[in-house]
Amino acid sequence: AQTVTQSQPEMSVQEAETVTLSCTYDTSESDYYLFWYKQPPSRQMILVIRQEAYKQQNATENRFSVNFQKAAKSFSLKISDSQLGDAAMYFCAYSAGTASKLTFGTGTRLQVTL
Amino acid sequence: GAVVSQHPSWVICKSGTSVKIECRSLDFQATTMFWYRQFPKQSLMLMATSNEGSKATYEQGVEKDKFLINHASLTLSTLTVTSAHPEDSSFYICSQLAGLAGVSNEQFFGPGTRLTVL
Repeated sequence: AQTVTQSQPEMSVQEAETVTLSCTYDTSESDYYLFWYKQPPSRQMILVIRQEAYKQQNATENRFSVNFQKAAKSFSLKISDSQLGDAAMYFCAYSAGTASKLTFGTGTRLQVTL
Repeated sequence: GAVVSQHPSWVICKSGTSVKIECRSLDFQATTMFWYRQFPKQSLMLMATSNEGSKATYEQGVEKDKFLINHASLTLSTLTVTSAHPEDSSFYICSQLAGLAGVSNEQFFGPGTRLTVL
């Protein structure tokens, strides 16, 4: 079975600084997708960024980027120029094949301080 | 992205009663929807995959007779918690696959329903 591990229950970053959230996963599949979702206090799940395993280039979305290390099965999220609105729970997720279910990690709570 | 709504946003019920939660796709026809539950300060756990016009696929450990899922149309899936008990109190979230699901596997999530069983 696929597993997703987030080893950092909580992280803190100062406004305007950069923070990296870690995620590792275990799978025997060759075709899969990786995601980072944000869950603010409203509890609405919001997609931050996604990565297709077959793509070597790391995905980026404005201030958010990933470091995808396929051999190491690592998928970290880097948030640059952190903003107060970035404070939330961040979940790493994995999906295999197509039209498939998501497996979530345990989440990392990110605090952003002034 | 796709818009997914859930109703109700919160519900309080007495132990032993049944509660129905609706998940609607407002701007997209979803052949596949997912139901998750989330306990306080925990991650999302998939309960079942809801397929339009067929029986839902339940995850291991999820009671099919307790959590009834109906996906009668391409825009509506319902989750009924039957004979609810306090331990069923949780946050229930539905999601649907994005338009080009075969390409990205991205899911769009509803805002969730908080169920409290007294």
